Amino acid sequence: GQQLNQSPQSMFIQEGEDVSMNCTSSSIFNTWLWYKQDPGEGPVLLIALYKAGELTSNGRLTAQFGITRKDSFLNISASIPSDVGIYFCAGHGAAGNKLTFGGGTRVLVKP
Amino acid sequence: GAGVSQTPSNKVTEKGKYVELRCDPISGHTALYWYRQSLGQGPEFLIYFQGTGAADDSGLPNDRFFAVRPEGSVSTLKIQRTERGDSAVYLCASSARGADTQYFGPGTRLTVL
Repeated sequence: GQQLNQSPQSMFIQEGEDVSMNCTSSSIFNTWLWYKQDPGEGPVLLIALYKAGELTSNGRLTAQFGITRKDSFLNISASIPSDVGIYFCAGHGAAGNKLTFGGGTRVLVKP
Repeated sequence: GAGVSQTPSNKVTEKGKYVELRCDPISGHTALYWYRQSLGQGPEFLIYFQGTGAADDSGLPNDRFFAVRPEGSVSTLKIQRTERGDSAVYLCASSARGADTQYFGPGTRLTVL
């Protein structure tokens, strides 16, 4: 079935740094979504992308829908401590109403 | 307004027992989704309801898993003869529009001993 590969699996950030993560798929998606999940909570939607090539921002977050429709990236600029958490990409295909999630990128603070 | 709520927040059971997990969606949301999230992984789709009917149950792993939504609001995920491999966080989400606007609940952490 469809699979989404996220990289990196984990990363350490220092306050003020820009960070980037991406997601690739073996299949085409019509919609790409980025979520953040904090411990003990459900995922919260950050950004939704609906068109190939689309670049969308939400505050310090910027995401792009790849031209091939098989990839997406998320950038966080000027990171702050509350950016710590797990970020998931998710794709929505042409058929059905379900989302396919990636394995997540765990963002941690540098000790 | 109130978000998606799930009860219980934690459930510990023994192998072979039956469990029910409840989801209260956001009022007025017609679409409801169940996902399973194993440790260190992303959520995996289980089943999707539109109103009272299961529109897509292709993610249910086997016939021990069943879900209902009799009045088009609250949903219950039922797992029979639980196995240790069923241990995971079970997430529920609801939407008024489509799959791209799902709001997730906090999940129920199921532990099968």
